[in-house]
Amino acid sequence: DQQVKQNSPSLSVQEGRISILNCDYTNSMFDYFLWYKKYPAEGPTFLISISSIKDKNEDGRFTVFLNKSAKHLSLHIVPSQPGDSAVYFCAARGSRSNYKLTFGKGTLLTVNP
Amino acid sequence: NAGVMQNPRHLVRRRGQEARLRCSPMKGHSHVYWYRQLPEEGLKFMVYLQKENIIDESGMPKERFSAEFPKEGPSILRIQQVVRGDSAAYFCASSPLNTEAFFGQGTRLTVV
Repeated sequence: DQQVKQNSPSLSVQEGRISILNCDYTNSMFDYFLWYKKYPAEGPTFLISISSIKDKNEDGRFTVFLNKSAKHLSLHIVPSQPGDSAVYFCAARGSRSNYKLTFGKGTLLTVNP
Repeated sequence: NAGVMQNPRHLVRRRGQEARLRCSPMKGHSHVYWYRQLPEEGLKFMVYLQKENIIDESGMPKERFSAEFPKEGPSILRIQQVVRGDSAAYFCASSPLNTEAFFGQGTRLTVV
């Protein structure tokens, strides 16, 4: 049972354009959401997070949007750079087990020069 | 301040052997988590430990897998009598409290 879904296995964008990565979740107990970036042969690196009491969080070129009613979040990267090419994982956790992250399968982002 | 250190980075074991994966958390971090990533999958939670205590092992397979985080030394994930299906990347993460966890580079286990 996939509680966190990233339906796009891959995404390709042009340098300088916007990258939009999507994530859906089914567990209404989730109240904190995170995005991780992962390069090959490395561990995931924390990128940005959002609490369920907010609908937007911005950090430089990265913005995460949360639509609680739709159980949907998205990560926007503007402008996209070739160094952003990596696998992006959406993750969620709930208040009852606030240490346990549930990950999606990831989206491979390729930013073409 | 060194990051989360995992070793070995790559481990090859024959079926039936034991695999021992080590994780040294970041300095000052007392919470350790192990995750497993099977091919084409996301990371799956296995176990959460604090020093000398297993807090949550709900993601651990019932048999052959064990984890510890002793008072001194690294956290160890032990897999006995490995099978081909155990081949995966095993990631350790640590945090000071229940905050964002920092991940190590992983150990890639291959069972032949």
